[in-house]
Amino acid sequence: EDQVTQSPEALRLQEGESSSLNCSYTVSGLRGLFWYRQDPGKGPEFLFTLYSAGEEKEKERLKATLTKKESFLHITAPKPEDSATYLCAVQARSYGQNFVFGPGTRLSVLP
Amino acid sequence: GAGVSQSPSNKVTEKGKDVELRCDPISGHTALYWYRQSLGQGLEFLIYFQGNSAPDKSGLPSDRFSAERTGGSVSTLTIQRTQQEDSAVYLCASFRLGSGYTFGSGTRLTVV
Repeated sequence: EDQVTQSPEALRLQEGESSSLNCSYTVSGLRGLFWYRQDPGKGPEFLFTLYSAGEEKEKERLKATLTKKESFLHITAPKPEDSATYLCAVQARSYGQNFVFGPGTRLSVLP
Repeated sequence: GAGVSQSPSNKVTEKGKDVELRCDPISGHTALYWYRQSLGQGLEFLIYFQGNSAPDKSGLPSDRFSAERTGGSVSTLTIQRTQQEDSAVYLCASFRLGSGYTFGSGTRLTVV
């Protein structure tokens, strides 16, 4: 069965404490894996798209990587303003044009 | 406007009443999606519009849900005879090749 999971469910970090969030997927015919950030009361904000294993994308303190079964969102020296829920979403042949979202990881960065 | 606009931002309705949620996508974006996000849950796909093609309605949870997109722009999601389990945040996203996907801030629907 196709599915998208994320771990951990919640993560608390001290400011400056680097870590990684995981998104695992079991789909056939991956078209793209997307990372979003969602702040309370707002819609998801697009961060990255990854299309093939081995691909990496970076933006400020965030770096996303992709393998054939999972993606990691690495956060280097996080700041309190990085606190948010991070969602990954998969677009695959079996889903048509829609996305399947993971449940998200709630990140809290403490000053 | 520069972003995807959704209205109302909050809606409280009585069980059994009909509601209409509106999405104003980014001008020029050809694809439009509706998703639902329940408390503590991931985003659930509802419906997808692409240009003049027939919409993909495969995610609509029941026949009480319907959506239309007029003139390839504004979209309305209608929920008839609302139930308490319909309470959620309804999110709209639009897409254009080269610009990516942009979500609105959502409509928080509460059925009492």
